[in-house]
Amino acid sequence: AQSVTQLDSHVSVSEGTPVLLRCNYSSSYSPSLFWYVQHPNKGLQLLLKYTSAATLVKGINGFEAEFKKSETSFHLTKPSAHMSDAAEYFCVVSEQTGANNLFFGTGTRLTVIP
Amino acid sequence: DTEVTQTPKHLVMGMTNKKSLKCEQHMGHRAMYWYKQKAKKPPELMFVYSYEKLSINESVPSRFSPECPNSSLLNLHLHALQPEDSALYLCASSQGMAESYEQYFGPGTRLTVT
Repeated sequence: AQSVTQLDSHVSVSEGTPVLLRCNYSSSYSPSLFWYVQHPNKGLQLLLKYTSAATLVKGINGFEAEFKKSETSFHLTKPSAHMSDAAEYFCVVSEQTGANNLFFGTGTRLTVIP
Repeated sequence: DTEVTQTPKHLVMGMTNKKSLKCEQHMGHRAMYWYKQKAKKPPELMFVYSYEKLSINESVPSRFSPECPNSSLLNLHLHALQPEDSALYLCASSQGMAESYEQYFGPGTRLTVT
């Protein structure tokens, strides 16, 4: 069975400092993993995805994530936070049944302090 | 063009009204999705269309009726809704149904049922 746990419901960082959003997953198979960002009253935008290629995945806007099978983790990082990064972030795992069902984490709200 | 468009952006309807939400994509994607998102929650899957055929219906009440007129368009017909149906309705599309295909989301329709 697939499931996703986002360990922090809210993360607050100062502008210019590193960002770490944590995600652990549970999957019976080799998963596909995604991070999406949602700004207030907007749709979801794909930041990056992992699909069994390189374990360090680079995404848009300077974000990256590392797939660690031994730790069942897929944490999202960024070296330096920008005010525009303030948003809700969802870690997502995709079910390997040909149905492309997405299992969403509960989300982490990132606040960036000027 | 990696855009999914949705109209209208906002919709207010009474419980006896009939209205429709529209979604369009021109990326040649063959899978399209409807999600419902309540405030401060992750999106919940409602329907999936694959090659214009309904593939998944996640036990959604019959007052929601999806329609896929062609490979680029997806509609959601609404009738006799309840106030608890007020939410952000998101449309998404993907190249296919394999789990490795990322889903592209539209900006959503904010629905209020009075």
